Amino acid sequence: QVPLVQSGAEVRRPGASVKISCKATQYSFTNYYIHWVRQAPGQGLEWMGVVNPRSGSATYAPRFQDRVTMTRGSSPSTVYMELNSLRSDDTAKYFCTFCPSTSPTWLNPWGQGTQVIVSS
Amino acid sequence: EVVLTQSPGTLSVSPGERATLSCRASQSITSSDVAWYRQKSGQAPRLLIYGTSNRATGIPDRFGGSGSGTAFTLVINAVEPEDFAVYYCQLLTTFGPGTRVDIK
Repeated sequence: QVPLVQSGAEVRRPGASVKISCKATQYSFTNYYIHWVRQAPGQGLEWMGVVNPRSGSATYAPRFQDRVTMTRGSSPSTVYMELNSLRSDDTAKYFCTFCPSTSPTWLNPWGQGTQVIVSS
Repeated sequence: EVVLTQSPGTLSVSPGERATLSCRASQSITSSDVAWYRQKSGQAPRLLIYGTSNRATGIPDRFGGSGSGTAFTLVINAVEPEDFAVYYCQLLTTFGPGTRVDIK
Protein backbone atom coordinates (compact mmCIF):
# COMPACT_ATOMS: atom_id res chain seq x y z
CA GLN A 1 0.00 0.00 0.00
CA VAL A 2 1.35 3.41 -0.98
CA PRO A 3 1.81 5.58 2.13
CA LEU A 4 0.83 8.87 0.46
CA VAL A 5 -1.71 8.94 -2.35
CA GLN A 6 -2.21 12.03 -4.49
CA SER A 7 -5.03 13.01 -6.81
CA GLY A 8 -4.76 12.50 -10.54
CA ALA A 9 -3.31 14.55 -13.37
CA GLU A 10 -4.81 17.92 -14.23
CA VAL A 11 -4.85 20.15 -17.30
CA ARG A 12 -5.57 23.84 -16.89
CA ARG A 13 -5.63 27.01 -18.98
CA PRO A 14 -3.31 29.88 -18.07
CA GLY A 15 -4.85 32.01 -15.34
CA ALA A 16 -6.85 29.14 -13.86
CA SER A 17 -6.38 27.38 -10.51
CA VAL A 18 -5.63 23.80 -9.57
CA LYS A 19 -6.20 21.99 -6.27
CA ILE A 20 -4.34 18.77 -5.52
CA SER A 21 -5.07 16.38 -2.67
CA CYS A 22 -2.70 14.22 -0.66
CA LYS A 23 -3.97 11.43 1.57
CA ALA A 24 -1.94 9.49 4.09
CA THR A 25 -2.85 5.80 4.03
CA GLN A 26 -0.25 4.36 6.37
CA TYR A 27 0.92 7.21 8.52
CA SER A 28 -0.80 9.24 11.18
CA PHE A 29 -0.61 12.99 10.84
CA THR A 30 -0.09 13.20 14.58
CA ASN A 31 3.62 13.86 14.47
CA TYR A 32 4.20 14.99 10.90
CA TYR A 33 4.00 17.99 8.64
CA ILE A 34 3.20 17.80 4.94
CA HIS A 35 5.55 19.55 2.56
CA TRP A 36 4.96 20.20 -1.11
CA VAL A 37 7.74 20.00 -3.71
CA ARG A 38 7.43 20.44 -7.44
CA GLN A 39 9.53 19.37 -10.42
CA ALA A 40 9.25 20.93 -13.86
CA PRO A 41 9.92 18.65 -16.83
CA GLY A 42 13.58 17.68 -16.93
CA GLN A 43 14.36 19.99 -14.03
CA GLY A 44 15.26 19.70 -10.37
CA LEU A 45 13.23 19.85 -7.17
CA GLU A 46 11.68 23.03 -5.76
CA TRP A 47 10.24 23.38 -2.25
CA MET A 48 6.89 25.18 -2.20
CA GLY A 49 5.78 25.14 1.41
CA VAL A 50 4.51 23.20 4.40
CA VAL A 51 1.17 22.67 6.13
CA ASN A 52 0.49 21.47 9.66
CA PRO A 53 -2.35 18.94 9.26
CA ARG A 54 -3.43 19.35 12.88
CA SER A 55 -3.72 23.14 13.09
CA GLY A 56 -4.02 23.99 9.41
CA SER A 57 -1.28 26.61 9.65
CA ALA A 58 1.01 26.89 6.63
CA THR A 59 4.27 28.48 5.57
CA TYR A 60 5.07 29.17 1.94
CA ALA A 61 8.21 29.73 -0.07
CA PRO A 62 8.46 33.46 -0.93
CA ARG A 63 8.09 32.93 -4.68
CA PHE A 64 4.74 31.19 -4.19
CA GLN A 65 3.48 33.27 -1.27
CA ASP A 66 0.84 35.18 -3.21
CA ARG A 67 -0.45 32.26 -5.30
CA VAL A 68 -0.49 29.11 -3.15
CA THR A 69 -2.74 27.89 -0.36
CA MET A 70 -2.11 24.71 1.60
CA THR A 71 -4.95 23.43 3.76
CA ARG A 72 -6.08 20.44 5.75
CA GLY A 73 -9.12 18.50 4.65
CA SER A 74 -12.33 17.76 6.50
CA SER A 75 -11.67 14.06 6.10
CA PRO A 76 -8.88 12.58 8.19
CA SER A 77 -5.34 12.41 6.88
CA THR A 78 -5.95 14.55 3.81
CA VAL A 79 -4.34 17.85 2.88
CA TYR A 80 -4.65 20.06 -0.19
CA MET A 81 -2.44 22.37 -2.21
CA GLU A 82 -4.08 25.00 -4.41
CA LEU A 83 -2.08 27.07 -6.89
CA ASN A 84 -3.73 30.08 -8.52
CA SER A 85 -3.07 32.28 -11.55
CA LEU A 86 -1.40 29.39 -13.34
CA ARG A 87 1.25 30.07 -15.97
CA SER A 88 2.85 27.78 -18.51
CA ASP A 89 5.93 27.51 -16.32
CA ASP A 90 3.80 25.98 -13.56
CA THR A 91 3.66 22.84 -15.70
CA ALA A 92 5.28 20.33 -13.39
CA LYS A 93 4.82 17.27 -11.26
CA TYR A 94 3.77 18.20 -7.74
CA PHE A 95 4.70 15.97 -4.81
CA CYS A 96 3.52 15.87 -1.21
CA THR A 97 5.90 14.43 1.35
CA PHE A 98 6.27 13.93 5.08
CA CYS A 99 8.63 15.55 7.52
CA PRO A 100 8.62 15.54 11.34
CA SER A 101 9.18 19.30 11.42
CA THR A 102 8.01 22.49 9.74
CA SER A 103 11.55 22.97 8.52
CA PRO A 104 12.18 20.36 5.80
CA THR A 105 15.18 18.64 7.35
CA TRP A 106 14.43 15.44 5.50
CA LEU A 107 11.45 14.37 3.43
CA ASN A 108 10.16 10.80 3.56
CA PRO A 109 8.07 9.19 2.20
CA TRP A 110 6.79 10.92 -0.92
CA GLY A 111 3.51 10.70 -2.76
CA GLN A 112 3.51 9.41 -6.32
CA GLY A 113 3.22 12.95 -7.71
CA THR A 114 0.47 14.78 -9.57
CA GLN A 115 1.17 16.01 -13.08
CA VAL A 116 -0.20 19.48 -13.81
CA ILE A 117 -0.14 20.76 -17.37
CA VAL A 118 -0.85 24.41 -18.04
CA SER A 119 -1.59 25.07 -21.67
CA SER A 120 -3.83 27.24 -23.77
CA GLU B 1 20.06 31.95 1.06
CA VAL B 2 22.42 29.01 0.66
CA VAL B 3 22.99 27.75 -2.89
CA LEU B 4 23.90 24.09 -3.40
CA THR B 5 26.10 22.99 -6.30
CA GLN B 6 26.45 19.34 -7.27
CA SER B 7 29.24 17.78 -9.26
CA PRO B 8 29.74 16.20 -11.61
CA GLY B 9 26.61 16.86 -13.61
CA THR B 10 26.80 13.35 -15.00
CA LEU B 11 28.85 10.46 -13.67
CA SER B 12 29.37 7.39 -15.82
CA VAL B 13 30.23 4.22 -13.91
CA SER B 14 30.17 0.50 -14.50
CA PRO B 15 28.12 -1.79 -12.26
CA GLY B 16 30.22 -2.78 -9.26
CA GLU B 17 32.32 0.38 -9.33
CA ARG B 18 32.34 3.07 -6.67
CA ALA B 19 30.59 6.38 -7.31
CA THR B 20 31.44 9.58 -5.46
CA LEU B 21 29.03 12.50 -5.69
CA SER B 22 29.78 15.98 -4.41
CA CYS B 23 27.50 18.68 -3.00
CA ARG B 24 28.95 22.10 -2.15
CA ALA B 25 27.23 24.88 -0.27
CA SER B 26 27.77 28.57 -1.03
CA GLN B 27 28.38 29.22 2.65
CA SER B 28 29.39 27.12 5.60
CA ILE B 29 26.60 25.02 7.06
CA THR B 30 26.65 24.81 10.82
CA SER B 31 23.89 22.25 11.13
CA SER B 32 24.01 18.65 9.96
CA ASP B 33 20.78 18.82 7.98
CA VAL B 34 22.07 17.70 4.59
CA ALA B 35 19.98 14.97 2.99
CA TRP B 36 20.42 12.95 -0.19
CA TYR B 37 17.74 11.49 -2.48
CA ARG B 38 17.76 9.09 -5.41
CA GLN B 39 15.19 9.62 -8.14
CA LYS B 40 14.65 6.98 -10.77
CA SER B 41 13.06 7.99 -14.05
CA GLY B 42 9.33 8.66 -13.68
CA GLN B 43 9.34 8.07 -9.93
CA ALA B 44 9.25 10.20 -6.81
CA PRO B 45 12.52 10.89 -5.02
CA ARG B 46 13.51 8.48 -2.28
CA LEU B 47 15.38 9.52 0.84
CA LEU B 48 18.78 7.86 1.13
CA ILE B 49 20.69 9.88 3.73
CA TYR B 50 19.59 12.38 6.36
CA GLY B 51 21.55 14.41 8.88
CA THR B 52 24.57 14.26 6.53
CA SER B 53 25.50 10.66 7.33
CA ASN B 54 22.50 8.65 8.54
CA ARG B 55 21.00 6.04 6.25
CA ALA B 56 17.23 6.12 5.97
CA THR B 57 15.22 3.03 6.84
CA GLY B 58 15.68 0.26 4.31
CA ILE B 59 18.65 1.87 2.55
CA PRO B 60 21.51 -0.61 2.00
CA ASP B 61 24.90 0.05 3.52
CA ARG B 62 26.56 0.58 0.14
CA PHE B 63 25.30 4.17 0.50
CA GLY B 64 27.31 6.48 2.73
CA GLY B 65 27.17 10.19 3.42
CA SER B 66 29.75 12.49 4.94
CA GLY B 67 30.92 16.08 5.06
CA SER B 68 30.92 19.32 6.96
CA GLY B 69 31.23 23.05 6.39
CA THR B 70 30.65 23.57 2.68
CA ALA B 71 31.55 20.14 1.28
CA PHE B 72 29.35 17.07 1.44
CA THR B 73 29.70 13.70 -0.26
CA LEU B 74 27.54 10.73 -1.14
CA VAL B 75 29.43 7.53 -1.88
CA ILE B 76 27.86 4.51 -3.52
CA ASN B 77 30.07 1.47 -3.06
CA ALA B 78 29.61 -1.21 -5.73
CA VAL B 79 26.96 0.50 -7.85
CA GLU B 80 24.04 -1.77 -8.70
CA PRO B 81 21.71 -1.52 -11.72
CA GLU B 82 18.98 0.15 -9.63
CA ASP B 83 21.40 2.95 -8.72
CA PHE B 84 21.46 4.44 -12.20
CA ALA B 85 19.35 7.49 -11.49
CA VAL B 86 19.56 11.16 -10.53
CA TYR B 87 20.77 12.13 -7.07
CA TYR B 88 19.87 15.33 -5.25
CA CYS B 89 21.33 16.85 -2.14
CA GLN B 90 19.13 19.03 0.04
CA LEU B 91 19.59 21.54 2.80
CA LEU B 92 16.23 22.51 4.27
CA THR B 93 14.30 24.40 1.56
CA THR B 94 17.13 24.25 -1.00
CA PHE B 95 17.91 21.40 -3.37
CA GLY B 96 21.01 20.95 -5.48
CA PRO B 97 20.60 20.64 -9.27
CA GLY B 98 21.29 16.92 -9.23
CA THR B 99 23.92 14.45 -10.47
CA ARG B 100 22.93 11.84 -13.02
CA VAL B 101 24.62 8.47 -12.59
CA ASP B 102 24.53 6.49 -15.79
CA ILE B 103 26.03 3.31 -17.13
CA LYS B 104 29.51 3.51 -18.60
